[in-house]
Amino acid sequence: DAGITQSPRHKVTETGTPVTLRCHQTENHRYMYWYRQDPGHGLRLIHYSYGVKDTDKGEVSDGYSVSRSKTEDFLLTLESATSSQTSVYFCAIRGDSATIANYGYTFGSGTRLTVV
Amino acid sequence: AQSVTQLDSQVPVFEEAPVELRCNYSSSVSVYLFWYVQYPNQGLQLLLKYLSGSTLVKGINGFEAEFNKSQTSFHLRKPSVHISDTAEYFCAVSGVKAAGNKLTFGGGTRVLVKP
Repeated sequence: DAGITQSPRHKVTETGTPVTLRCHQTENHRYMYWYRQDPGHGLRLIHYSYGVKDTDKGEVSDGYSVSRSKTEDFLLTLESATSSQTSVYFCAIRGDSATIANYGYTFGSGTRLTVV
Repeated sequence: AQSVTQLDSQVPVFEEAPVELRCNYSSSVSVYLFWYVQYPNQGLQLLLKYLSGSTLVKGINGFEAEFNKSQTSFHLRKPSVHISDTAEYFCAVSGVKAAGNKLTFGGGTRVLVKP
């Protein structure tokens, strides 16, 4: 989608290794989110950010950390990957809109992570 | 806190027949409501959203949804489906002025359109 890119698109990693996923935006939006998608669970929030160096936990944050040193980048790190973290990860952005009609979330294309 | 329940995990439907996907939500604050579609191996695409005003919302691809505050529902409808509507559909809610305005999703409804 325009203005938001995720990298890598696919990754296979071994149990116990660290993994970092990147979300990059060109919209200068304040809010950024990381979700994971698993069958039957929809998308669940891992962490989110409301500004540079300002982050907070979502509902499934255990085993994950995030960092946001620049407005445009939001990194998700799995410190020691486990098989239960095999999932599709989506990043989303949302701006502070003065016009309610423009309120909304834009999602990246996702990263498919497999932990073996 | 908020939650979303999509009452049907799978909905088979014949081509050109109508379809309704049910969504109920729970929230302690006023909400914004969204429906997203996900085609196989793709990302999420916004179908429509309710922010304020008319409770009947029209979206892309002929879909519409109605916000019912008293029943805390936001059901999605299409009067005549096409094969290309085969996809997974997600209902989502965001609390108005809630901290972080986090988007909470339902578990998804998989729609299979049969010829």
